[in-house]
Amino acid sequence: EAGVVQSPRYKIIEKKQPVAFWCNPISGHNTLYWYLQNLGQGPELLIRYENEEAVDDSQLPKDRFSAERLKGVDSTLKIQPAELGDSAVYLCASSLDRAGELFFGEGSRLTVL
Amino acid sequence: AQRVTQPEKLLSVFKGAPVELKCNYSYSGSPELFWYVQYSRQRLQLLLRHISRESIKGFTADLNKGETSFHLKKPFAQEEDSAMYYCALSGTGGFKTIFGAGTRLFVKA
Repeated sequence: EAGVVQSPRYKIIEKKQPVAFWCNPISGHNTLYWYLQNLGQGPELLIRYENEEAVDDSQLPKDRFSAERLKGVDSTLKIQPAELGDSAVYLCASSLDRAGELFFGEGSRLTVL
Repeated sequence: AQRVTQPEKLLSVFKGAPVELKCNYSYSGSPELFWYVQYSRQRLQLLLRHISRESIKGFTADLNKGETSFHLKKPFAQEEDSAMYYCALSGTGGFKTIFGAGTRLFVKA
């Protein structure tokens, strides 16, 4: 079992450019999460999916961030346009159930110049 | 509001000394508490959860609802325990998992 797979691991872009992150959760995990982790802080939830449905996106800045989980498996998180303050690690996690153990990917580190 | 507080950013102890990483939470419902750990160059992973009442790598944590705390303890710290530790809170009804800011544990030889 490869675990949660994320790509790219690192991304450097200039401000105002678009960027996309991809996540493949553990097989059979219906719940998928995108977290944002700023330096020196804990993960903060951006969006949570139950299968294809986004059940909690209250913390997602919808003016520039979007996410999708087609077919209830892989997910993509997009930022357009990126701002300097978006520099952070974007973590994807999956779980078997809503309140259970989270399995994290290695994260995608974004640097916006 | 739901919140997890880890008051210490950094905790430094000598090898063999006891260690306690503090975690306090605020949640109106029935909480589920977790400790996650991130070792250097590794992904964030579950260390233990309160409902399992297990001891993992010598660590234990007891949920104290009266004090709304879930402190992580180990009687004799080892160098390999050096890592970033995050306390996390979930709850019933599909409540999302929220994390504290984390405590970096440094175990000195």
